[in-house]
Amino acid sequence: QKEVEQNSGPLSVPEGAIASLNCTYSDRGSQSFFWYRQYSGKSPELIMFIYSNGDKEDGRFTAQLNKASQYVSLLIRDSQPSDSATYLCAGINFGNEKLTFGTGTRLTIIP
Amino acid sequence: DAGVIQSPRHEVTEMGQEVTLRCKPISGHNSLFWYRQTMMRGLELLIYFNNNVPIDDSGMPEDRFSAKMPNASFSTLKIQPSEPRDSAVYFCASSARGDWGGAYEQYFGPGTRLTVT
Repeated sequence: QKEVEQNSGPLSVPEGAIASLNCTYSDRGSQSFFWYRQYSGKSPELIMFIYSNGDKEDGRFTAQLNKASQYVSLLIRDSQPSDSATYLCAGINFGNEKLTFGTGTRLTIIP
Repeated sequence: DAGVIQSPRHEVTEMGQEVTLRCKPISGHNSLFWYRQTMMRGLELLIYFNNNVPIDDSGMPEDRFSAKMPNASFSTLKIQPSEPRDSAVYFCASSARGDWGGAYEQYFGPGTRLTVT
């Protein structure tokens, strides 16, 4: 079992709707989580990170962390075609520097 | 500020040849990471350095791979001899401790697409 699991998708969402991306993790030592966006042929780009239980909002993006249930999610409101990409979830243990990445979820926004 | 710089962006070589990938981290960042990405295996950490010292090389696939960081602004990843199964995109990333002390935000370079024929 991988330490960070994501549904590979593809996930198709109509333009303007909310896209919900989910990630589960097995290592309870994981403290912080990062969401990266990767366009085809490009490098991963950091969107946001979260380390406290609850929600963290940044523009159209909201990250949610539930440590008791060991899941992390990313919500994208008012989805745009430019949001079509692969989204990578990664976890890290406090004091460590190694990110453990999931395999990514491919998101397609349908105009 | 310039981001992470990698060279070359594309490399095509024949099996058995030596390949050297280069990376310049973001100025002021004290940690550097080498990743490999393939469709089959996703994004894998190969090795990372902190303050130019290798900390964890457990992801290096075999002795054909080696990495160095002679100073804070330069690192190399070498494959000798190269094999077709080494074909992948190799990313370099750098980070500095987050302002609040707990999160390590890694910033990725554009990657080197390596093809070994």
